Amino acid sequence: GQQVQQSPASLVLQEGENAELQCNFSTSLNSMQWFYQRPGGSLVSLFYNPSGTKHSGRLTSTTVIKERRSSLHISSSQTTDSGTYLCALGSVTGNTGKLIFGLGTTLQVQP
Amino acid sequence: AQTIHQWPVAEIKAVGSPLSLGCTIKGKSSPNLYWYWQATGGTLQQLFYSITVGQVESVVQLNLSASRPKDDQFILSTEKLLLSHSGFYLCAWSQGTFSNERLFFGHGTKLSVL
Repeated sequence: GQQVQQSPASLVLQEGENAELQCNFSTSLNSMQWFYQRPGGSLVSLFYNPSGTKHSGRLTSTTVIKERRSSLHISSSQTTDSGTYLCALGSVTGNTGKLIFGLGTTLQVQP
Repeated sequence: AQTIHQWPVAEIKAVGSPLSLGCTIKGKSSPNLYWYWQATGGTLQQLFYSITVGQVESVVQLNLSASRPKDDQFILSTEKLLLSHSGFYLCAWSQGTFSNERLFFGHGTKLSVL
């Protein structure tokens, strides 16, 4: 089965609402990264967060290793936040640099 | 600051034709380099990685090959494209040699095989 599962698959918000995106993984974790994927496909690195909580502007990432989950919180959403959010797991096993990606959460923020 | 440049930005190619995609990293000595691929609607998956010049490891067999002719350059190629090669190709780099390293991605190449 899928080693990295993201939920929800899609989310529609009104501008100003908050969003909570979840990433659950079934294998041991060595690193966790969150990306924003632009409509054209390129990736914007949001967080490198193997454990604990990190903040960046309106974004907060929390990774709880024991519970095998990571979350991305977006506060006061804006229409420019629309897009796909991907989490990627760096496993303790496997080759160097291999990230296991989830299928992503597609976020649509309406004005 | 490190920069990563991929070329071309997009390609439309015929089945059976050859392909060459490139990636250059500037501002970083001896980076680890990676090729990732995403089929339309699919997840990103690693294709190749390289720790040093001339050394490339394959992760997924997709009738593609990769080479690292220079420290800062990574090339993805094939002699004959298949329809299944369509998708989005991303080059990435990292520093360090452990699986907890942070990856930085280029802007990608969109490939359409017709």
